[in-house]
Amino acid sequence: SQKIEQNSEALNIQEGKTATLTCNYTNYSPAYLQWYRQDPGRGPVFLLLIRENEKEKRKERLKVTFDTTLKQSLFHITASQPADSATYLCALRNAGNMLTFGGGTRLMVKP
Amino acid sequence: EAGVAQSPRYKIIEKRQSVAFWCNPISGHATLYWYQQILGQGPKLLIQFQNNGVVDDSQLPKDRFSAERLKGVDSTLKIQPAKLEDSAVYLCASSKTETTNEKLFFGSGTQLSVL
Repeated sequence: SQKIEQNSEALNIQEGKTATLTCNYTNYSPAYLQWYRQDPGRGPVFLLLIRENEKEKRKERLKVTFDTTLKQSLFHITASQPADSATYLCALRNAGNMLTFGGGTRLMVKP
Repeated sequence: EAGVAQSPRYKIIEKRQSVAFWCNPISGHATLYWYQQILGQGPKLLIQFQNNGVVDDSQLPKDRFSAERLKGVDSTLKIQPAKLEDSAVYLCASSKTETTNEKLFFGSGTQLSVL
């Protein structure tokens, strides 16, 4: 069956450090992978999209990698700040073009 | 530009009652999605519309859930009768098209509590 797995345990890091979140998938052949941020009581907000032929994508302090051999994407936040504390979701389109989300990883950045 | 609007923001009902949620997508967005998000989990797609046609409703519990998108703009999602396990946040999202690289814009959701 198709699965998108993210670490369900919260990630706690110190301000200024780099946060690395993992998204693993099985039985998908995605052309694109998306990352979203969700704050409590709010809907997810789109952050980045990476294509299968892109190894890495950057946007300000964010960096996403996409390894279709390992079936994994890594999401990095450099020089993390308390304002980066949120839940981060990865998402893929399945064969029917439906956007399916992982369970999300909660990031807590401590000052 | 205005974002995706949803109402109500919160709803508390008793099991076996009915409830309806409303969504107004971003103007000009052809594709509309309803997701269910249970506490601590990622959003789960219930139904996807392209204009006023259903693209996929394979995960919609059709014995109790229904959705429509009249005139290809606003949409309503209804639950009748509600069960305890329907307690969740119901998120509406829209995108310009249904192409694979389109990003979704979400509303703030309706938090449903079934007692």
